[in-house]
Amino acid sequence: ETGVTQSPTHLIKTRGQQVTLRCSSQSGHNTVSWYQQALGQGPQFIFQYYREEENGRGNFPPRFSGLQFPNYSSELNVNALELDDSALYLCASSFGGQLYEQYFGPGTRLTVT
Amino acid sequence: GQQVMQIPQYQHVQEGEDFTTYCNSSTTLSNIQWYKQRPGGHPVFLIQLVKSGEVKKQKRLTFQFGEAKKNSSLHITATQTTDVGTYFCAGPILSQGGSEKLVFGKGTKLTVNP
Repeated sequence: ETGVTQSPTHLIKTRGQQVTLRCSSQSGHNTVSWYQQALGQGPQFIFQYYREEENGRGNFPPRFSGLQFPNYSSELNVNALELDDSALYLCASSFGGQLYEQYFGPGTRLTVT
Repeated sequence: GQQVMQIPQYQHVQEGEDFTTYCNSSTTLSNIQWYKQRPGGHPVFLIQLVKSGEVKKQKRLTFQFGEAKKNSSLHITATQTTDVGTYFCAGPILSQGGSEKLVFGKGTKLTVNP
């Protein structure tokens, strides 16, 4: 069984730039959720993708967008980066479009300067 | 807004002592989930509770879901150094758009003195 993988591991961007983060879900899982985790905080739900459509969204602005592909992998895109976007971005996979049993990847550490 | 609160924020214990973290939601939850995040790691799913009053055990860990499905607790008996990490509870809560979002508490950071 293959676990959740994310790329890249680390990324440094400049304010105003755009970034794309990638995630491959655990085998057998068809749902992907993205979270932002600031230092010392719990993960904050950005959105969830199921059947290639956004299936739920947290309190994040539209410059946070995503995609899910037929093989259930997913991308998180962030436009017009701000300093406060610096965080650990976590992808989690699950099954059936539900918010149960999230299996997290190792995360991408994004630093915006 | 609707949120999930967790206390205490930090807990330092001597190895062998017990540890408990508490989770409270402002709204009734369909389920409560618990995760553990080791320093420098990512959250790892521990368990999900669904039924009112449910109690589940995993070796030295005991999880409870309150009768009103608004609170939960995680109790660790006789802590070990391997228990070090931050423990998060999380529950699905309706967002403004009508869909659900998984809301995490801020976590309880456990350190264990050997």
